[in-house]
Amino acid sequence: AQRVTQPEKLLSVFKGAPVELKCNYSYSGSPELFWYVQYSRQRLQLLLRHISRESIKGFTADLNKGETSFHLKKPFAQEEDSAMYYCALRTTDSWGKLQFGAGTQVVVTP
Amino acid sequence: DVKVTQSSRYLVKRTGEKVFLECVQDMDHENMFWYRQDPGLGLRLIYFSYDVKMKEKGDIPEGYSVSREKKERFSLILESASTNQTSMYLCASSFPGSNQPQHFGDGTRLSIL
Repeated sequence: AQRVTQPEKLLSVFKGAPVELKCNYSYSGSPELFWYVQYSRQRLQLLLRHISRESIKGFTADLNKGETSFHLKKPFAQEEDSAMYYCALRTTDSWGKLQFGAGTQVVVTP
Repeated sequence: DVKVTQSSRYLVKRTGEKVFLECVQDMDHENMFWYRQDPGLGLRLIYFSYDVKMKEKGDIPEGYSVSREKKERFSLILESASTNQTSMYLCASSFPGSNQPQHFGDGTRLSIL
C-alpha cells in the first residue's frame, strides 16, 4: 500500500534560518508528489509539485527516487511561512486520489 | 480562479442525526473528494467521485455515504452521526489528468454532541 511519512509533527525555526521538512513515501511505481500548505484560517492550497521543478515562495523540493523522498526546503525562513505543511502522493492508478502525510506544523519565530 | 464552496463553516449536531455536508465547485472538474482532517492524522479520504452518479470508497468510508447527482455538487452524508465523527471535513475537486492539483474548500468543522 502507498504511504507518506512526515516524521516531524512540529518544526520550530528562527527567522532567517534554513528550514527543511522531510517527506518519505512508499510506492513501487512512478509517483507524483505534491506539497500543500494551510496558513492559519485559510484553505489548504497547493504549494508546489515535483513535475514543475519550480520555486514557490522560496521553497523547493526535489524528488529523490532512490531515497523515496520529497523533502521541502527553504534557505531563509520568514514569519509568514508559519503554517501546516502536508506532503501528498498520487499514484498512476489512483483516479487522482491523493495519499497525504500527517503534516508538519512550522513555526517561525522572530 | 477555482472556487470550491462548502455550505457551512461550523455545524453542531446530535448523535443519531442524519447530517448532510454540501460541496459545490465551479470549474467543471470531473473529480471530487471528501476528506476528514484530524490532528496527527493528516487528511484521510472518505469517498471520491470521478463522474456524475459514480462514487468510490476511500480509506475510511464507514459511517458515511455520498451523492453526486450533478457534476458540480458532491454531498457527504453521515447516516447516523456519532461523536467520533466530530472533525474538520474538507471537500476538494480536480481534473483527472496527471499532476492535476486538487482544489480545496474552506472546510466544515462538525461537532457531534
